[in-house]
Amino acid sequence: AQSVTQLGSHVSVSEGALVLLRCNYSSSVPPYLFWYVQYPNQGLQLLLKYTSAATLVKGINGFEAEFKKSETSFHLTKPSAHMSDAAEYFCAVSENRDDKIIFGKGTRLHILP
Amino acid sequence: EPEVTQTPSHQVTQMGQEVILRCVPISNHLYFYWYRQILGQKVEFLVSFYNNEISEKSEIFDDQFSVERPDGSNFTLKIRSTKLEDSAMYFCASSVDSYQPQHFGDGTRLSIL
Repeated sequence: AQSVTQLGSHVSVSEGALVLLRCNYSSSVPPYLFWYVQYPNQGLQLLLKYTSAATLVKGINGFEAEFKKSETSFHLTKPSAHMSDAAEYFCAVSENRDDKIIFGKGTRLHILP
Repeated sequence: EPEVTQTPSHQVTQMGQEVILRCVPISNHLYFYWYRQILGQKVEFLVSFYNNEISEKSEIFDDQFSVERPDGSNFTLKIRSTKLEDSAMYFCASSVDSYQPQHFGDGTRLSIL
């Protein structure tokens, strides 16, 4: 069965500092992995996706994530945090491209001035 | 950019009443999904729909739930007799085909009194 674990329900970083949001997955087949962002009172917006091509995936708003099979991880990073990055971030996994998406519990990112 | 639109944004209903949540997927999309997010919890898969039939449903999607694509544009979720625990944010999603990620709407907040 697929599952996703996000370490840290809340993460705070200073503006301009590195953002690192951790995600570990479990899947019985090579997974499709996603990061979604949810701004307050809005829906889920796709940040980036991994579909077995390059292991380093670049997304929107300067975010990127690296698929590490040996560590079953798909951590999300951004070199320099911006105030507008404050939101909830969800890591997600799917076994097939058109399959249901299994979401992690989410990590709320706070940006400190 | 085309969007998935959901109406209403907030629905308040008495317990035991029927409720219909509406979604207009992106026009050329073929795969449709409903997810829900209970306050403070993770996003959970409810049902997927393709070629006018349910592809997969979760344990949450019991006999009280049904989905329908009544015409070429709408995709609805009906809860026949609402319970207090149905209070949640409900997200509709669609994808153009099995090779593309799912696009989410902004959600409908359902409050059961």
